[in-house]
Amino acid sequence: GESVGLHLPTLSVQEGDNSIINCAYSNSASDYFIWYKQESGKGPQFIIDIRSNMDKRQGQRVTVLLNKTVKHLSLQIAATQPGDSAVYFCAETDGNNRLAFGKGNQVVVIP
Amino acid sequence: DGGITQSPKYLFRKEGQNVTLSCEQNLNHDAMYWYRQDPGQGLRLIYYSQIVNDFQKGDIAEGYSVSREKKESFPLTVTSAQKNPTAFYLCASSRRRTENYGYTFGSGTRLTVV
Repeated sequence: GESVGLHLPTLSVQEGDNSIINCAYSNSASDYFIWYKQESGKGPQFIIDIRSNMDKRQGQRVTVLLNKTVKHLSLQIAATQPGDSAVYFCAETDGNNRLAFGKGNQVVVIP
Repeated sequence: DGGITQSPKYLFRKEGQNVTLSCEQNLNHDAMYWYRQDPGQGLRLIYYSQIVNDFQKGDIAEGYSVSREKKESFPLTVTSAQKNPTAFYLCASSRRRTENYGYTFGSGTRLTVV
């Protein structure tokens, strides 16, 4: 079927290199942020989250950085693997329980 | 294992037909959501429900209808009034007003008009 990643900004990265995916958000009241990964034909999966009282959070091979001053969020993937090829979405909420999603970035890992 | 299940995975609709997409969760989540996903457009909210027997329109509700008779279930009907229904539909659920506001997503239903 047609890929959800069609027409999205695309990051091509060599296997083993680090990837950085960026996201700008607009609501200065947002206090909770999430990164999701979506593989072709599947639903989005939670990767990592961060609250607004933090500026950095690390998981397994992933790090999220939050810069509230410029309303910017980034996801860093260390030692990118072929299984990391997917669309990555950021999401934000100010606590009203509805997440606002970014459009997504396609990551293509080159073996 | 707790999770959220969407069915069917693929659905074909003829012009003028109504079709219903199923979404069931056993996570004891209060809130449920329906999104439509088109290539290059991200997730667009169709309807959401924060409690049983109550739901609200999202950004693109025209041509769709929902019900929330049970906490576990939030079916979406794509009516004949929806002019361009071919898309990937995602259902999600979440807790209400807890520390973790994150959504759990189903695996999606791809609807095609034939």
